[in-house]
Amino acid sequence: GENVEQHPSTLSVQEGDSAVIKCTYSDSASNYFPWYKQELGKGPQLIIDIRSNVGEKKDQRIAVTLNKTAKHFSLHITETQPEDSAVYFCAASEINTGGFKTIFGAGTRLFVKA
Amino acid sequence: EAQVTQNPRYLITVTGKKLTVTCSQNMNHEYMSWYRQDPGLGLRQIYYSMNVEVTDKGDVPEGYKVSRKEKRNFPLILESPSPNQTSLYFCASSFAIGNTEAFFGQGTRLTVV
Repeated sequence: GENVEQHPSTLSVQEGDSAVIKCTYSDSASNYFPWYKQELGKGPQLIIDIRSNVGEKKDQRIAVTLNKTAKHFSLHITETQPEDSAVYFCAASEINTGGFKTIFGAGTRLFVKA
Repeated sequence: EAQVTQNPRYLITVTGKKLTVTCSQNMNHEYMSWYRQDPGLGLRQIYYSMNVEVTDKGDVPEGYKVSRKEKRNFPLILESPSPNQTSLYFCASSFAIGNTEAFFGQGTRLTVV
């Protein structure tokens, strides 16, 4: 079946350093790629997303890149802060008028050490 | 306040005893879905609904039912719960096409003994 692989499963960085999380998807029909942040005891919250007709998107310290040919997309967090510590999920969706199926990666637990 | 509300937040039940987890959103979203979250597996989609009376299976629908009689509500039904359905469940909603940001509920931790 379709799947999304996410690496690494755990990432520890020093405050101020950059963090990169990578995902690979299998369904070539996927056209929407959101990233979610989940803090302890809460539901996931969208932090950034990208569509298949765009190669890169940036929002302050967060950026996402997409390589459709290789079916790779990555999350980049610069100047990390302790409040960035959380679990991050990537996802791949195929959005069309008939449906909206989403497959999530297994998650990356990010620790930012002060 | 725009939100997705799940109830209950925590539930312990016995094998075979039917239960329903409710989900309600106040954003007039067309699209709603249910996920289960298990360690090392991320979020897996159980069912989704594109609009009232329109539902479809996700990746792990076995043992679950849903209904969408009203736009705001999307209950998850476990007719005969089993221990392998012990998990953390999330409901999410979004506009179907165009603005696809999904808003998640706070989660329901279900234990089936």
